[in-house]
Amino acid sequence: AQRVTQPEKLLSVFKGAPVELKCNYSYSGSPELFWYVQYSRQRLQLLLRHISRESIKGFTADLNKGETSFHLKKPFAQEEDSAMYYCALSGRETSGSRLTFGEGTQLTVNP
Amino acid sequence: DAGVIQSPRHEVTEMGQEVTLRCKPISGHDYLFWYRQTMMRGLELLIYFNNNVPIDDSGMPEDRFSAKMPNASFSTLKIQPSEPRDSAVYFCASSFGLAGVHTGELFFGEGSRLTVL
Repeated sequence: AQRVTQPEKLLSVFKGAPVELKCNYSYSGSPELFWYVQYSRQRLQLLLRHISRESIKGFTADLNKGETSFHLKKPFAQEEDSAMYYCALSGRETSGSRLTFGEGTQLTVNP
Repeated sequence: DAGVIQSPRHEVTEMGQEVTLRCKPISGHDYLFWYRQTMMRGLELLIYFNNNVPIDDSGMPEDRFSAKMPNASFSTLKIQPSEPRDSAVYFCASSFGLAGVHTGELFFGEGSRLTVL
């Protein structure tokens, strides 16, 4: 079974402060991890994937297999980062076609 | 392409009534997913189709829920009879190929917000 846990439902920071959204996963095989974002009145969309090792809108996420974590980080938060963030996992070794999401973290960046 | 199209955007109904949510995936996509979003449980996968065939419906809460995909460009999620605890935002998403799923390339609709009184 695959499971994704986001321990914080709500996270509030001030503009310019560092932000870290936590994500832990449980999966016996080799996972593919993603972060999705949903801005107000917009569709849920892919933000970044671990395999690309990319930085999108200043966000990065490193897959830590030892800690089974994929935390999303940004050194200096901006007000436009306020959104709902979902961590997701896809398992290639299982039936593999499902993308399992965490519970989501609502990030608010205050001015 | 207009992306994944869902209707209705908002639905308010009374307990016991039938609810039908509709989805048009992106043309050419062969995977279609129905998710339910609630504050308590986040995004839950209800069912997904591959080439119009239901592959995994283990997330469907109970027999009151049913989903169909009669062709590649249309899917429905039906709740009959509806209950207040079904109130949620229901998302449809589509993807191209298994590789698309594995690389996280799911394209979501705007969602249907259901309120059951």
